[in-house]
Amino acid sequence: AQKITQTQPGMFVQEKEAVTLDCTYDTSDPSYGLFWYKQPSSGEMIFLIYQGSYDQQNATEGRYSLNFQKARKSANLVISASQLGDSAMYFCAMREGLTGNQFYFGTGTSLTVIP
Amino acid sequence: EPEVTQTPSHQVTQMGQEVILRCVPISNHLYFYWYRQILGQKVEFLVSFYNNEISEKSEIFDDQFSVERPDGSNFTLKIRSTKLEDSAMYFCASRFGSGNTGELFFGEGSRLTVL
Repeated sequence: AQKITQTQPGMFVQEKEAVTLDCTYDTSDPSYGLFWYKQPSSGEMIFLIYQGSYDQQNATEGRYSLNFQKARKSANLVISASQLGDSAMYFCAMREGLTGNQFYFGTGTSLTVIP
Repeated sequence: EPEVTQTPSHQVTQMGQEVILRCVPISNHLYFYWYRQILGQKVEFLVSFYNNEISEKSEIFDDQFSVERPDGSNFTLKIRSTKLEDSAMYFCASRFGSGNTGELFFGEGSRLTVL
C-alpha cells in the first residue's frame, strides 16, 4: 500500500480564492509527522508546514493551514487567498515514528493559479 | 539563512561513466539524505546517513551507488557506472534531528543527464 496518496494530479484555482490539496496517509505507527513541500518550476523543494500526530490543533503557517483528520488519516493542505506565485507542484510527505528516518512522498499535485 | 548547497547544478555524462554529486548540508544537522526525482515523477528516497554510516537505503540504492562524508562537511553521492535510467534530479537533504519538527531541508538539486 502507498504510504502517501495524493489523488489530484492537477488543480486550478482563481487568484485570491482558497484551495484544498488532498493527502491521505497509511501507517500503523502512532507517532508520525506529516509535511507539505512546494516545488516551483525552478525545481527546489520548499518546506511549507508540519503536523505531528499528537498535535491537538491543526497546523497553520501564514496562508497555509493543514486540515488534519486523524481518524480519516488525511492531512489536506489549505492555501487561502491564492497568489500567482503559488503555482507549483505540492508534495505531501510523512515520517514514521519518533526517530523515523525515511520520508515518504506522494506523487504530487500540480496547482495552477489563474489570474 | 542556512541552506543546503549542491554541486553541480547540472551534469551531462555518457552511459557507463562515474558521477559524483556533492552536497554541503546545514552545519548543525545530523541526518543526511539523497532523493531523486525522475522528470515529472514523485520524489524517491535513495539513502539516509547518520553518524557516519548509512542508516537506511531503498531498493533503488544498489551496488552502483555509494555515499560518503569525507571531511565532516561534504556529503557525496557516487554513481559508479551510470545508466540511462539514472537521468533524474538528485536532491540532497538534511535535518537536525527528532527533537524538533525535523523537517527536511532540501538543496536545489543536481540534474543528471545520462546520454
